[in-house]
Amino acid sequence: RKEVEQDPGPFNVPEGATVAFNCTYSNSASQSFFWYRQDCRKEPKLLMSVYSSGNEDGRFTAQLNRASQYISLLIRDSKLSDSATYLCAVNRRTGGFKTIFGAGTRLFVKA
Amino acid sequence: GAVVSQHPSWVICKSGTSVKIECRSLDFQATTMFWYRQFPKQSLMLMATSNEGSKATYEQGVEKDKFLINHASLTLSTLTVTSAHPEDSSFYICSARAPRGRTGYEQYFGPGTRLTVT
Repeated sequence: RKEVEQDPGPFNVPEGATVAFNCTYSNSASQSFFWYRQDCRKEPKLLMSVYSSGNEDGRFTAQLNRASQYISLLIRDSKLSDSATYLCAVNRRTGGFKTIFGAGTRLFVKA
Repeated sequence: GAVVSQHPSWVICKSGTSVKIECRSLDFQATTMFWYRQFPKQSLMLMATSNEGSKATYEQGVEKDKFLINHASLTLSTLTVTSAHPEDSSFYICSARAPRGRTGYEQYFGPGTRLTVT
């Protein structure tokens, strides 16, 4: 089992739709959590950090459930420009500081 | 956000040659940098953790003698792919760990180096 798991998708949604991505992690020693966005043939870019209290940045809302070891990302009012791969990332300190990435969820937003 | 540069952005080399990739943090000091490799349609796979002034820590299955890492300063880490072979062709991405923020250490990625070995 992978340490960080995501549904690979692809998710095909129309413009204006709301879409949710899920991510689970298996290492309970994980300390901090992030969502990254990666466009084709580009490097990942930090989208947002994820807090236990939940956090929102415009159309994006991230949530963390430590008890269930589950992270989510909600995108409202999808835009064509949201089409990308969304990577879930988890920081942990066991075995040295590391960030472990999920395989990513591909999103296609269509007109 | 923080800026990390990587050079070269792409390189084509012949089998058996060595290739050096540079990663620089431009606006902050990074005691720790990471090197990842990404094959098409796959996730980032951590290759090694580069610590300034000490030896790199390699992930299981990554040959330290093939992928030489040097972190000589707080703003520069290099990855040298020695005796490259076609199966080493991949997208190599470095990242630098920014100073601790509210939620822990965020990473900022370089733009990546696309290596093609012929």
